[in-house]
Amino acid sequence: QSALTQPASVSGSPGQSITISCTGTSSDVGGYNYVSWYQQHPGKAPKLMIYEVSNRPSGVSNRFSGSKSGNTASLTISGLQAEDEADYYCSSYTSSSTLWVFGGGTKLTVL
Amino acid sequence: EVQLVESGGGLVKPGGSLRLSCAASGFTFSSYSMNWVRQAPGKGLEWVSSISSSSSYIYYADSVKGRFTISRDNAKNSLYLQMNSLRAEDTAVYYCARGIYEGFDPWGQGTLVTVSS
Repeated sequence: QSALTQPASVSGSPGQSITISCTGTSSDVGGYNYVSWYQQHPGKAPKLMIYEVSNRPSGVSNRFSGSKSGNTASLTISGLQAEDEADYYCSSYTSSSTLWVFGGGTKLTVL
Repeated sequence: EVQLVESGGGLVKPGGSLRLSCAASGFTFSSYSMNWVRQAPGKGLEWVSSISSSSSYIYYADSVKGRFTISRDNAKNSLYLQMNSLRAEDTAVYYCARGIYEGFDPWGQGTLVTVSS
């Protein structure tokens, strides 16, 4: 069982917006602004999409945005495109003995 | 171009050992913390270990503590993971990743470790 809880799957049609949630505790998501999001296409390495809750690295489309409320972080993808179909993982710093924790991952299907 | 290339994976028997390497290029390796993250077949990501830029701070997941050792050689721009007493549940693709923005970026292509008799 992963430390952070994500929905197993989400789907949307091209052009629509979707949101993926990532729920933790006050020891991780709720306690620090160190939440990041990763995109992983099949057979590929993960790619950083959002860091420190809501910041985009250079080169990442502005269709990707992040936010946080309490112990839940969210990734929103607007204007869905076929190339967005992938697995998405959230991660957070944690004050527990484990330094970093990941969510179980969410499979995004573009219908 | 910032690049990380892992090597050293393979098939090993339970109880055996393996040493993974990660060669870094395109950035000042000695200025960044480095990490190992693994992914079991068909499963999610699991943080394994982190090491600070000067090796002063080292952290491990509870699942590998006492069995795995992370190290780095800044003169060789290389990161290592010595894995001992391997178990079937250690079977995974192991990624090295640079620590930046309190996250991981970029990631290497990964190296597969299979623990099986």
